[in-house]
Amino acid sequence: QKEVEQNSGPLSVPEGAIASLNCTYSDRGSQSFFWYRQYSGKSPELIMFIYSNGDKEDGRFTAQLNKASQYVSLLIRDSQPSDSATYLCAVMNSGNTPLVFGKGTRLSVIA
Amino acid sequence: DVKVTQSSRYLVKRTGEKVFLECVQDMDHENMFWYRQDPGLGLRLIYFSYDVKMKEKGDIPEGYSVSREKKERFSLILESASTNQTSMYLCASSWTGYGYTFGSGTRLTVV
Repeated sequence: QKEVEQNSGPLSVPEGAIASLNCTYSDRGSQSFFWYRQYSGKSPELIMFIYSNGDKEDGRFTAQLNKASQYVSLLIRDSQPSDSATYLCAVMNSGNTPLVFGKGTRLSVIA
Repeated sequence: DVKVTQSSRYLVKRTGEKVFLECVQDMDHENMFWYRQDPGLGLRLIYFSYDVKMKEKGDIPEGYSVSREKKERFSLILESASTNQTSMYLCASSWTGYGYTFGSGTRLTVV
């Protein structure tokens, strides 16, 4: 059973701080990794993807991947109250297998 | 931007009714997916399709069927709605190997 694990939270951070969201996965053959943001009552929205070991930056967001440790993380710099949402980690084994989603981490940014 | 349109935002149906949930995407994606999302259980894959007239069972296909007669349209059918099918239903589409784009969801209540 391929699993993706996330701490459910809530993770509370003050406005302006760095939020660090973590995800581990069980399938060593996983190749592609995605982060989705889901506001309450809304559908998930893709915010980052990463395929290679290391860091990938996009604005205030940085995705980090360590395949040896089977670990992927999302850093949000200068956190804003509008970042308060549930963040879903998703993992793909190969190009044509469905994503396996974690249950998400709820982030609360306190003004 | 890719658009995934789900026909209804909210739906109330009676136990035993046959229910159709429609999903249309406008970016020629070959892959389409149906998920349900429940508090504490995360996103669970019901069915998916990699091509017209093809379908694959996901993790929880019981009580559901699907139809994909055209590339852009993927329908989810609840053969005989039951109260335990009350949920948020999310349709998604993608190109192979890429992240998913989700529709806005249908919140189905079965009474």
